[in-house]
Amino acid sequence: GAGVSQSPSNKVTEKGKDVELRCDPISGHTALYWYRQSLGQGLEFLIYFQGNSAPDKSGLPSDRFSAERTGGSVSTLTIQRTQQEDSAVYLCASSSAGAVGETQYFGPGTRLLVL
Amino acid sequence: GESVGLHLPTLSVQEGDNSIINCAYSNSASDYFIWYKQESGKGPQFIIDIRSNMDKRQGQRVTVLLNKTVKHLSLQIAATQPGDSAVYFCAENISGLIWGAGTKLIIKP
Repeated sequence: GAGVSQSPSNKVTEKGKDVELRCDPISGHTALYWYRQSLGQGLEFLIYFQGNSAPDKSGLPSDRFSAERTGGSVSTLTIQRTQQEDSAVYLCASSSAGAVGETQYFGPGTRLLVL
Repeated sequence: GESVGLHLPTLSVQEGDNSIINCAYSNSASDYFIWYKQESGKGPQFIIDIRSNMDKRQGQRVTVLLNKTVKHLSLQIAATQPGDSAVYFCAENISGLIWGAGTKLIIKP
């Protein structure tokens, strides 16, 4: 595809509900990253997928957060029992081979608001 | 992964002037550095990178300077334009990218 796409662009949910965020990486990119960005703050790494390897989940803030990447392409980030502090922009990025330091191409993000 | 929780510093620059955005990195073993720009409502975009065996690299209207002695990285933007308004992030590589907190650049007309 032309770039990384994410859906939905905005999501408003009630505290305690589950949400699913979707990321479509650039076609052919084997590495996929999820980040979180709270208002006025920097990027917080969440999870990293590289090919068929086990994902690096070291950034997930709690066991309410999980992510999958099916078929080595599309990824879904799931947040269960959402809390107000989960409100943030969730950014997805992909890179061609996941080489260390390789340029990452970002999607526009999903803005999540938990009421 | 790393997490930063600081509020963003802000730099205000007159249109047409040069902008200098600074970043201090944490690990002397970092071998690669990247600057990203993030405009309001969009994801970060790659601007320029530099490897640790260099101390300067130039792009179109942008220059990155690396001072390994004091672990300092700077991004210089020449003749700043309104379209340069954004948040600028530096990232260092040490077995993966570690992101700085970002600097918000405001252009005054």
